[in-house]
Amino acid sequence: GPKVLQIPSHQIIDMGQMVTLNCDPVSNHLYFYWYKQILGQQMEFLVNFYNGKVMEKSKLFKDQFSVERPDGSYFTLKIQPTALEDSAVYFCASSPGTSNTEVFFGKGTRLTVV
Amino acid sequence: GEKVEQHESTLSVREGDSAVINCTYTDTASSYFPWYKQEAGKGLHFVIDIRSNVDRKQSQRLIVLLDKKAKRFSLHITATQPEDSAIYFCAALRNNNNAPRFGAGTKLTVKP
Repeated sequence: GPKVLQIPSHQIIDMGQMVTLNCDPVSNHLYFYWYKQILGQQMEFLVNFYNGKVMEKSKLFKDQFSVERPDGSYFTLKIQPTALEDSAVYFCASSPGTSNTEVFFGKGTRLTVV
Repeated sequence: GEKVEQHESTLSVREGDSAVINCTYTDTASSYFPWYKQEAGKGLHFVIDIRSNVDRKQSQRLIVLLDKKAKRFSLHITATQPEDSAIYFCAALRNNNNAPRFGAGTKLTVKP
């Protein structure tokens, strides 16, 4: 079936440094999402992205976070600067853009800020 | 915004019994309710969904019920098997491609 690919699967970074998480969404999907999960618990919505713009974001989407998808390449989540509390698994997802259809998730990137 | 509550944080059943996971939502405009399964250390895997134009849907051993009046929906897993053990997440969203909002997850353990 359709796959969302996330690169890398695991990243360790020093606090204060910048990190970019990469997502290759399902081909022809139009909507893209990032979620944050800590310790296998709640899936927390971060941001919804469509047509080059942030459509919706949560309180967890701090000023240090940014997203983009330049020229149909990777959909990225950038954190600059990183903080210890940013340590989590970040899941990327995409959907086709039609109503009431499945949202496909990647396997996640485990980010460890030390 | 939408808030989804998942009532059982953990659930343990014996193999062959049924498991029921209940969720409630707040946004009356929500019209699509997917369920996802997450095995240890892995991503979310879609299992079944229900749309607001029906109140019941079955796919093999999985049944989802939707009560729009009560803003409640549930996942029933019949004839459970050990491989059903995982964390199950319910979600709700509107039909305009806003992001799914998830419940907190239910850790299901099926004991042989």
